[in-house]
Amino acid sequence: RKEVEQDPGPFNVPEGATVAFNCTYSNSASQSFFWYRQDCRKEPKLLMSVYSSGNEDGRFTAQLNRASQYISLLIRDSKLSDSATYLCVVRPRMNRDDKIIFGKGTRLHILP
Amino acid sequence: NAGVTQTPKFRVLKTGQSMTLLCAQDMNHEYMYWYRQDPGMGLRLIHYSVGEGTTAKGEVPDGYNVSRLKKQNFLLGLESAAPSQTSVYFCASSYGQVPYNEQFFGPGTRLTVL
Repeated sequence: RKEVEQDPGPFNVPEGATVAFNCTYSNSASQSFFWYRQDCRKEPKLLMSVYSSGNEDGRFTAQLNRASQYISLLIRDSKLSDSATYLCVVRPRMNRDDKIIFGKGTRLHILP
Repeated sequence: NAGVTQTPKFRVLKTGQSMTLLCAQDMNHEYMYWYRQDPGMGLRLIHYSVGEGTTAKGEVPDGYNVSRLKKQNFLLGLESAAPSQTSVYFCASSYGQVPYNEQFFGPGTRLTVL
């Protein structure tokens, strides 16, 4: 199993719909989780952190399921501007090397 | 506040040529990173630095060298470019340790090696 896995998509979703995608991680000792957004031919930008208790920011909700080892991102009332690639980021272990792993990303297309 | 800047934005090299990519940040960040991103691959860490004068290897360091002579600058060098180094290179910086501190990315350098 790869350290961090994401469905590459694309997810083609009509505007206004709700869409969710997951990211699975292999190391049960993983400590920190994030979602980044990357627009086409642009740099990644932090979207939100994922806390054990879940995290909501406007239309975006991130959740962590430790038992099944995945994190999820839910987007409600999707907008055309939500079209992007969403990267899952995981810190696989608690040690000093501060290594973080980026997933390959899930492409989302919001259709008018 | 320019944030993280990278030069050049685009470059085409022939196999065996050398070049240096420059990353600059004006946020007084201690940590700086170089990543490469290839189609269908996640971002992979090449080298990083936890402070002026220090560098360390990341996941894919072979074929690259780095230097951090000034806190605000992090240079990535390719001594003898190979087609396998065709990629988009992103520089990033953070105030402190990731993941406890947000990484800010530069706009990227698109490098093609023929």
